[in-house]
Amino acid sequence: QVQLVESGGGVVQPGGSLRLSCAASGFTFSGYGMHWVRQAPGKGLEWVAFIRYDGSNKYYADSVKGRFTISRDNSKNTLYLQMNSLRAEDTAVYYCAKDLSYLGFGENSDYWGQGTLVTVSS
Amino acid sequence: DIQMTQSPSSLSASVGDRVTITCRASQGISNYLAWFQQKPGKAPKSLIYGASSLQSGVPSKFSGSGSGTDFTLTISSLQPEDFATYYCQQYNSYPFTFGPGTKVDIK
Repeated sequence: QVQLVESGGGVVQPGGSLRLSCAASGFTFSGYGMHWVRQAPGKGLEWVAFIRYDGSNKYYADSVKGRFTISRDNSKNTLYLQMNSLRAEDTAVYYCAKDLSYLGFGENSDYWGQGTLVTVSS
Repeated sequence: DIQMTQSPSSLSASVGDRVTITCRASQGISNYLAWFQQKPGKAPKSLIYGASSLQSGVPSKFSGSGSGTDFTLTISSLQPEDFATYYCQQYNSYPFTFGPGTKVDIK
């Protein structure tokens, strides 16, 4: 069965950096695009970034563009989110999610991990 | 960017009720619309994609409809496990955007 396990969250000071990881199993990771979605405490869902199955295309929310970088290592079945210049408003649970479409350009997210909490605070 | 709105923002309903949630896009998105269910402290769960296609394993009491800018999610007979927050999301164009959510609680 599909499993997505996020890690790397924690407390970081404003202006700091953090790298999140998402370990995938139970499907052909190299054939599917992947998303990051976040949820601030008590708030709704915010789509953050998408990377195509082979890393050839990447898309970002305006709120993180230029500060966050999505990447993947298909040999390790792992998705990453490098987060730099962190701000208090980046505080959220970060979820990785598998895209529905095989070899596609990004569509619906059909499976989600349980999330990892990032807290940006001094 | 495409803005998504949902109505109502919350509703109270009883077990067995038929519930309808509306989602509207600020511009046409064809049928590139998904619905998610989220329970407190849990990850979202995908219910519907392509506006009306049920994800594998999702019970048929959930249904979706619409195209263009106006969409609905209907739960035909509300059960205790359906009390949750529901989100719509457009994936017609980047950046993908979610609606603000509709919280369904017990009357």
